[in-house]
Amino acid sequence: DAMVIQNPRYQVTQFGKPVTLSCSQTLNHNVMYWYQQKSSQAPKLLFHYYDKDFNNEADTPDNFQSRRPNTSFCFLDIRSPGLGDAAMYLCATSRAGGIEAFFGQGTRLTVV
Amino acid sequence: ELKVEQNPLFLSMQEGKNYTIYCNYSTTSDRLYWYRQDPGKSLESLFVLLSNGAVKQEGRLMASLDTKARLSTLHITAAVHDLSATYFCALLGGATNKLIFGTGTLLAVQP
Repeated sequence: DAMVIQNPRYQVTQFGKPVTLSCSQTLNHNVMYWYQQKSSQAPKLLFHYYDKDFNNEADTPDNFQSRRPNTSFCFLDIRSPGLGDAAMYLCATSRAGGIEAFFGQGTRLTVV
Repeated sequence: ELKVEQNPLFLSMQEGKNYTIYCNYSTTSDRLYWYRQDPGKSLESLFVLLSNGAVKQEGRLMASLDTKARLSTLHITAAVHDLSATYFCALLGGATNKLIFGTGTLLAVQP
């Protein structure tokens, strides 16, 4: 059974049209991560939550926002997608002090 | 700032050969992970290494950790085509809870 679920698996959006990607988890983990992975590159951390504490990476563009309304859900909002935002977006969870980090299946975002 | 570097970036090897991928990191860490990624897919967890001298093996892959040298290795024994994928190491910064990835190694095993 999938423990970290990302929806949708594939998302096509228009240039400049806001889009939201979602991530849910059944593990009750207190840390959640969002990564952007472009073709042939390593996953790049955009931000992460430790419980409700939001931690933004210094080089994450303002165009990217996130919400975590409760432990189970986390959203990635792209306010005005550009062609350069086309990528795979990965969500991951872990328990602070725990061992494993679990990844969702990813959302492939296409901007047209 | 936590930095993670891998080498080589690309590795082409013949079936049956052995090789090692190296992962160097810049600061102390609680956890070191190795992941496999197939094209268009998410990340598959291979190993979690928790302490100095840790060694884990699964099939033809063996991972080790030297915290004093800030180095982890992923050794491939008698490679087979099915091992072709991209391999990432990743480090968890204990104080920050950040999970930072290395640059990745694209492994192509030729028949």
